[in-house]
Amino acid sequence: AQSVTQLDSHVSVSEGTPVLLRCNYSSSYSPSLFWYVQHPNKGLQLLLKYTSAATLVKGINGFEAEFKKSETSFHLTKPSAHMSDAAEYFCVVSDRVNQGGKLIFGQGTELSVKP
Amino acid sequence: DTAVSQTPKYLVTQMGNDKSIKCEQNLGHDTMYWYKQDSKKFLKIMFSYNNKELIINETVPNRFSPKSPDKAHLNLHINSLELGDSAVYFCASSRRTSGGSSYNEQFFGPGTRLTVL
Repeated sequence: AQSVTQLDSHVSVSEGTPVLLRCNYSSSYSPSLFWYVQHPNKGLQLLLKYTSAATLVKGINGFEAEFKKSETSFHLTKPSAHMSDAAEYFCVVSDRVNQGGKLIFGQGTELSVKP
Repeated sequence: DTAVSQTPKYLVTQMGNDKSIKCEQNLGHDTMYWYKQDSKKFLKIMFSYNNKELIINETVPNRFSPKSPDKAHLNLHINSLELGDSAVYFCASSRRTSGGSSYNEQFFGPGTRLTVL
């Protein structure tokens, strides 16, 4: 069975400092992994995805994530936070075996950015 | 130029009523989904359709009935609304890979906030 655990429900950083949002996954098969962002009262936007190519994945807005199979982790990072990064972030797993495209979401991490 | 659109954006209704939410995508995708986001922001899949065929039904009460008239549309009809149905409902779409064994990333609509009084 697949599952995703986001280790922090809330992260607060100062503008210009690094961001680290932690995610651990469990999957029986080779997973596809995603990070989505949700700004207040908005839909979800794909930040980046891992689908078995390079383990270091670069996404939009300066975000990147590293797939570490030995640690079953897919942490999201950004070198320097911007005020506009304040949002809810979801780590998501999907088995690459045909399961109808089902996504399993983590509980979400709320990122606050202080001026 | 909206990729995945939903109507209405807000829906306020009384318990016991029947309501529908509509979803349309113009991305040429062949698979569409409904997700429910609860008050704690937790997202869970409800249904998935591929080429108008139901492929995922996640133990959702049968008061919820999805309907896909064509590949670009997936509507959600809810009968006898209950207080616990209050949530944000998201539609999403994706394309099945050429080998048919998996699916590409999903694109989400803006959501429909349903409030049942």
